[in-house]
Amino acid sequence: EIVMTQSPATLSVSPGERATLSCRASQSVNTDLAWYQQKPGQAPRLLIYGASTRATGIPARFSGSGSGTEFTLTISSLQSEDFALYYCQHYYNWPTWTFGQGTKVEIK
Amino acid sequence: QVLLQQSGPGLVKPSQTLSLTCAISGDSVSSNSAVWNWIRQSPSRGLEWLGRTYYRSKWHNHYAESVKSRITVSPDTSKNQFSLQLISVTPEDTAVYYCARDAPGSSYFDFWGQGTLVTVS
Repeated sequence: EIVMTQSPATLSVSPGERATLSCRASQSVNTDLAWYQQKPGQAPRLLIYGASTRATGIPARFSGSGSGTEFTLTISSLQSEDFALYYCQHYYNWPTWTFGQGTKVEIK
Repeated sequence: QVLLQQSGPGLVKPSQTLSLTCAISGDSVSSNSAVWNWIRQSPSRGLEWLGRTYYRSKWHNHYAESVKSRITVSPDTSKNQFSLQLISVTPEDTAVYYCARDAPGSSYFDFWGQGTLVTVS
């Protein structure tokens, strides 16, 4: 099983600042990597797939990068609605997928 | 726009069977490009993919090793929905359960149900 490790566990950022979240895979997943945002009481929402492609309706301030084992989600200028939990997920080796443990982005 | 509407009990007794249903609108459970999944989330296990069903000339299923001996995911074409059954539950199965669709042609999850908190007690 491919293990996904996210860091940091919690990120304290001021509104308007940049947030950089990391996700590491225990073995290469090429670019078969998605990012999700989750707010309290809600289901996860797809942000990024293919490591760097924004999903429909996702603002341009969200960007993804990386390949192989190292990936980054960047939020260029945090808005109040961006404070949430963020998860990465690989979909490299059919048919089982795994998620990271999440990064909480909180208001500094 | 695809909508997934979950239903089922929020409380199950230990050793009994957990049963949830996910009703689909805006797509078909029998689609040749869609894949239908169950995922759960708990503080101890995080987000955990459990299993899937899909149709490609015939019905297929895949299950996570952690629940393989206890899980069934099955389609109901007459109602355009799919279901989860997890037998012999324990308190460790307490979690929020989600249904979700694989994006066509890929394997990330583009549409999710609203989630159902299931407590085993």
